[in-house]
Amino acid sequence: KQEVTQIPAALSVPEGENLVLNCSFTDSAIYNLQWFRQDPGKGLTSLLLIQSSQREQTSGRLNASLDKSSGRSTLYIAASQPGDSATYLCAVNVAGSYQLTFGKGTKLSVIP
Amino acid sequence: NAGVTQTPKFQVLKTGQSMTLQCAQDMNHEYMSWYRQDPGMGLRLIHYSVGAGITDQGEVPNGYNVSRSTTEDFPLRLLSAAPSQTSVYFCASGVTSGSTLYNEQFFGPGTRLTVL
Repeated sequence: KQEVTQIPAALSVPEGENLVLNCSFTDSAIYNLQWFRQDPGKGLTSLLLIQSSQREQTSGRLNASLDKSSGRSTLYIAASQPGDSATYLCAVNVAGSYQLTFGKGTKLSVIP
Repeated sequence: NAGVTQTPKFQVLKTGQSMTLQCAQDMNHEYMSWYRQDPGMGLRLIHYSVGAGITDQGEVPNGYNVSRSTTEDFPLRLLSAAPSQTSVYFCASGVTSGSTLYNEQFFGPGTRLTVL
């Protein structure tokens, strides 16, 4: 059974700092991996999707990398801003499955 | 383009009551799904559908029913609500390829359900 772990569970950084969020998964036979952002009391907003054949994806200040063989993905946020404060979720889709398996998330606080 | 919409946003039920959570999407996605989010548990798949008339169970299907009569709508029914079904429910839609989720999944804003 696929398991997804996100470390740390919570992170507090000063504004302007670059930071890395980690996601690890137990079954390397993934089809793709998706990073989401969730604001308190809100739904999930898709940030980046990485297909299994890709190594990284970039969108603005966000960069996500994927290492299938080691079962890891990282989300890099450059020059963090208070508006980046949210919970970040990692989810993987195993090939042949219609299910996304989610991690429990990393709660990020960016302090002005 | 409204994306994925859910109604209601909030609901309070008494134990034993039934209700239907509504979900609609306007992106012509064949795949739709329901997840529940509980503190410390992450999101878990309840049911999903790969097209009109086709549904299947996810990880935690007990106590819930679904049907899919149109591409746009995928309602979730609670037959006899229990306190253990207190949760936040999210509907999602996306594109499939073969037997997998091809591309990004789009999520609705959620329904916050409390069962007393």
